[in-house]
Amino acid sequence: KAGVTQTPRYLIKTRGQQVTLSCSPISGHRSVSWYQQTPGQGLQFLFEYFSETQRNKGNFPGRFSGRQFSNSRSEMNVSTLELGDSALYLCASSLEPENTEAFFGQGTRLTVV
Amino acid sequence: GEDVEQSLFLSVREGDSSVINCTYTDSSSTYLYWYKQEPGAGLQLLTYIFSNMDMKQDQRLTVLLNKKDKHLSLRIADTQTGDSAIYFCAESTQAGTALIFGKGTTLSVSS
Repeated sequence: KAGVTQTPRYLIKTRGQQVTLSCSPISGHRSVSWYQQTPGQGLQFLFEYFSETQRNKGNFPGRFSGRQFSNSRSEMNVSTLELGDSALYLCASSLEPENTEAFFGQGTRLTVV
Repeated sequence: GEDVEQSLFLSVREGDSSVINCTYTDSSSTYLYWYKQEPGAGLQLLTYIFSNMDMKQDQRLTVLLNKKDKHLSLRIADTQTGDSAIYFCAESTQAGTALIFGKGTTLSVSS
């Protein structure tokens, strides 16, 4: 059974650009969450999607957005990139929103220069 | 706001037991988790415990929860070099989502 797949694995962007990251959950999983990991702030919750609807949102500016498609795949978008957005972005999937077991992908390493 | 704190480093010898500690502040935390992260990899769920439990054992892993002191620990028995990684404690008031993570404890196992 394939795990959570995140693409691309690595990305370099310039300040002011925008970026889209993709996450394909484990087959059958319908809930997808996104986290940002940085050395300074650690792991921080961005948002969660289920049935194409955002269920939960962390404390991030509106430049960070996401969506979920009918096949449960999710994308997150960051507009007007800042140097501080450089991070490892992790996606987690679970069967249902109330399921305790969330499985993480390997992440997308975003570098903003 | 909610906060989760862990010590940053732990060094043990192969075969010893490792104990990684974590404290949290949110008294409404219902779900408490331990994740492992190896270099270049995502997070691997090791185990979790509900707040109405005191202890959970899973093979070499033992989780102890002191809800009164808001203290969680992970004991790894017979620690192996393959256990070297960063261990994250996390809490949530909702199952499986909006996890609040500690900064992680780097476990170094020497042979």
